Amino acid sequence: AQKVTQAQTEISVVEKEDVTLDCVYETRDTTYYLFWYKQPPSGELVFLIRRNSFDEQNEISGRYSWNFQKSTSSFNFTITASQVVDSAVYFCALSEAGNSGYALNFGKGTSLLVTP
Amino acid sequence: DAGITQSPRHKVTETGTPVTLRCHQTENHRYMYWYRQDPGHGLRLIHYSYGVKDTDKGEVSDGYSVSRSKTEDFLLTLESATSSQTSVYFCAIRTTGPSTEAFFGQGTRLTVV
Repeated sequence: AQKVTQAQTEISVVEKEDVTLDCVYETRDTTYYLFWYKQPPSGELVFLIRRNSFDEQNEISGRYSWNFQKSTSSFNFTITASQVVDSAVYFCALSEAGNSGYALNFGKGTSLLVTP
Repeated sequence: DAGITQSPRHKVTETGTPVTLRCHQTENHRYMYWYRQDPGHGLRLIHYSYGVKDTDKGEVSDGYSVSRSKTEDFLLTLESATSSQTSVYFCAIRTTGPSTEAFFGQGTRLTVV
């Protein structure tokens, strides 16, 4: 069963628009970790953020912000004032304590295209 | 990040031939992983390791084996490559502790013809 769902397959926005990428996860563990990665057209996976299940504080890093809500099992990612360089595939991932050596279980990704 | 090197970066091989991909890390992290990335599937776990000679299967392990004889090296072997194993393969490490992070190598693009 899919543990991480990224319902948006592709999103296209115009530069300077705000965009939110959705991530819904499923777990029975009380201890788990959530991640976001960026994969630009060059192909590497760039770590963006990790959130622990016991820390529900939202986080802001420049134009990026993350909204973690345990009540809805969501960990959404917002880019404010998007730029062309934000064009990439974004992955959300879940890691459950003690499951498969803490391996990350990925969603299928959301492809974001930012046009000038 | 985390000194992860994958080799080779690109490989074309023929169906039925054995192939070994190497992941090398420089920071003695205990946990290492092999994933494959395919369109429409995201990244899927093939095998993982939690120490020297300690490995286990992931979601898509059929047709693959791994070995870890040293902390720094994690090898992925396709005993007899098939076209369905054409993919991009990523190695990853996981740091431990409350500030845990996971970093990926640059990937290996494997084409089986």
